[in-house]
Amino acid sequence: NAGVTQTPKFRVLKTGQSMTLLCAQDMNHEYMYWYRQDPGMGLRLIHYSVGEGTTAKGEVPDGYNVSRLKKQNFLLGLESAAPSQTSVYFCASYEENEGNEQFFGPGTRLTVL
Amino acid sequence: AQSVTQLGSHVSVSEGALVLLRCNYSSSVPPYLFWYVQYPNQGLQLLLKYTSAATLVKGINGFEAEFKKSETSFHLTKPSAHMSDAAEYFCAVSGRYSSASKIIFGSGTRLSIRP
Repeated sequence: NAGVTQTPKFRVLKTGQSMTLLCAQDMNHEYMYWYRQDPGMGLRLIHYSVGEGTTAKGEVPDGYNVSRLKKQNFLLGLESAAPSQTSVYFCASYEENEGNEQFFGPGTRLTVL
Repeated sequence: AQSVTQLGSHVSVSEGALVLLRCNYSSSVPPYLFWYVQYPNQGLQLLLKYTSAATLVKGINGFEAEFKKSETSFHLTKPSAHMSDAAEYFCAVSGRYSSASKIIFGSGTRLSIRP
């Protein structure tokens, strides 16, 4: 039982390049999330999904797109990377039940030059 | 609307000393409250959570937190700090009957342990 995994762990991009971050979970959770973590700002929600085929915007969605074609996978895309998107990205999953916690992946460290 | 405030972005204690990390919340509905720990270069791991059973909640690694409704607080404590406790700690709040998108995280407190 791997929990939540993220690919890749590290990536360096040049401004304007595109990339996709992959999140996978094997807990059959309906809800999945993408956060970014920046120093002093905690976790900020980018996009989330409440089930296969659904996505919704979070607090800071601009410059990102997501897809949830399969229940176990949640992809985060950057179409044209900018230095402001340099951050650590975390994926999380959650089973809907009051009081349940989110389960987090190990993170992806992205640097945009 | 919900929010959570962690007082002190950085706390430093000596090994063996009491650890106290402060968290205050605001919620228009009865809250669920969480403390997560993040070790360097890792994801967040749940330490403990309050879901309206006992107000004193015990978690992993000797940590505990007390829900105080009158003070809207959920401070994290550990009687005796260990070097391995050095990490970043996040408080989070969600409200009953709210959607799963409404889990709000604090800005984090970095805990350093002095030998």
